[in-house]
Formats: sequence, C-alpha cells, structure tokens
Amino acid sequence: DAGITQSPRHKVTETGTPVTLRCHQTENHRYMYWYRQDPGHGLRLIHYSYGVKDTDKGEVSDGYSVSRSKTEDFLLTLESATSSQTSVYFCAISNLGKNTEAFFGQGTRLTVV
Amino acid sequence: KNEVEQSPQNLTAQEGEFITINCSYSVGISALHWLQQHPGGGIVSLFMLSSGKKKHGRLIATINIQEKHSSLHITASHPRDSAVYICAVPVYNTDKLIFGTGTRLQVFP
Repeated sequence: DAGITQSPRHKVTETGTPVTLRCHQTENHRYMYWYRQDPGHGLRLIHYSYGVKDTDKGEVSDGYSVSRSKTEDFLLTLESATSSQTSVYFCAISNLGKNTEAFFGQGTRLTVV
Repeated sequence: KNEVEQSPQNLTAQEGEFITINCSYSVGISALHWLQQHPGGGIVSLFMLSSGKKKHGRLIATINIQEKHSSLHITASHPRDSAVYICAVPVYNTDKLIFGTGTRLQVFP
C-alpha cells in the first residue's frame, strides 16, 4: 500500500465549530489532493497542492481552506463547519504531471450535526 | 452534461459472469484511471492507461482515445469483486482528476 494516511478516520462535530483533517504521505509525491464524496456525485475536488506552500482551489472549495507547510502533510480546514459539509473526505497523492497512478487514503467520515 | 460518464450505474451479476463497465469522457486526456472502492473502504487504483489494453488477473481495461471511451471487463466474476468502480481522467495539461459517479457492482454466489 502507498504510504498515505488520513486522520481522523471518523469525526462528529457541531455546526459552527472548526475542523481540521490531516493527510500524511511518506512517498514524497509532489501533488496532494482533497476530495469529498457524496451520494449521487463523483469525487469532487476541494483543493489541491502542487508543492510546499503551493495550493489551488478545486470545484467545491467554498468553506474550506488548506495548508501545506511540508511535503508530507496536507491539511484541510473547515473554518466553521456546516451540515452541508457532512461527507466522506479523501486525500490523494500523485505525480500526475508524469502520468503516474493516484493513491488514495482510507477516507475520513465527517458528520456535522 | 458530466465530462465523465459511466454506465451502467448499477450492475448485478451471478458468480462467473463476464462483466463490462463503460466510461465515456468529453475532455482531451493523456491517460485514464480505473479505481475500485469496496463498501466502507478506501479507493484503490486498478489501472492507468493511455492507449490499447491492460490486463491484471481477471481484470482487463481498454481505451479508445479517438472515440473517448474506455471499458473495464471482469472475467469469471466473483462475489469479492462487488464494489464501486470509478473512472477518472486528468484534464489535459492540468493536474486535476475528474471522476465519474461510479458503477456499483454486486456479484451474487
């Protein structure tokens, strides 16, 4: 298995609270991604990073921020969680620029009540 | 219209049957990914291909770049193949993947 771990794996939080999800890789891959997966939708890109301190928005970035202070870690923050952010979040890593495989974490199930 | 479309959305089969899942896309691509997600599980990359055909065990993936179409075949299907199969394409000259909504496969003994 590719060395990519997400934490926490499950979280229940209240509306309005801040939440941070962590993605950690040991593969030294340049690109890291955060996706959310919801019924009836394919995986949708929230934010991605193409290097330390280099990030960009995806198609569903509103309400989310990210940070990448070192190659290994990519953090996703919900500044003030809302019920619409209840979802399963996946982190992925790749060197897509070289047409290589993408590797995914096990996912984080987040419930906002 | 979604840029990546899969069919069928749901598929049931008896053990031993030959399975075909289709993926059509409307964007220019350099490669296409087939992924597998078991219930409650993570997502695993099965194939990445940019032309022709690839085979891994009972799984075969084909792609026709001119027709913008790919298929995933499973020969001699088994209940452990039950999963969601997802097609994804990187948008040409970008580093972003676009995903299909997946095909849910159930194989019964």
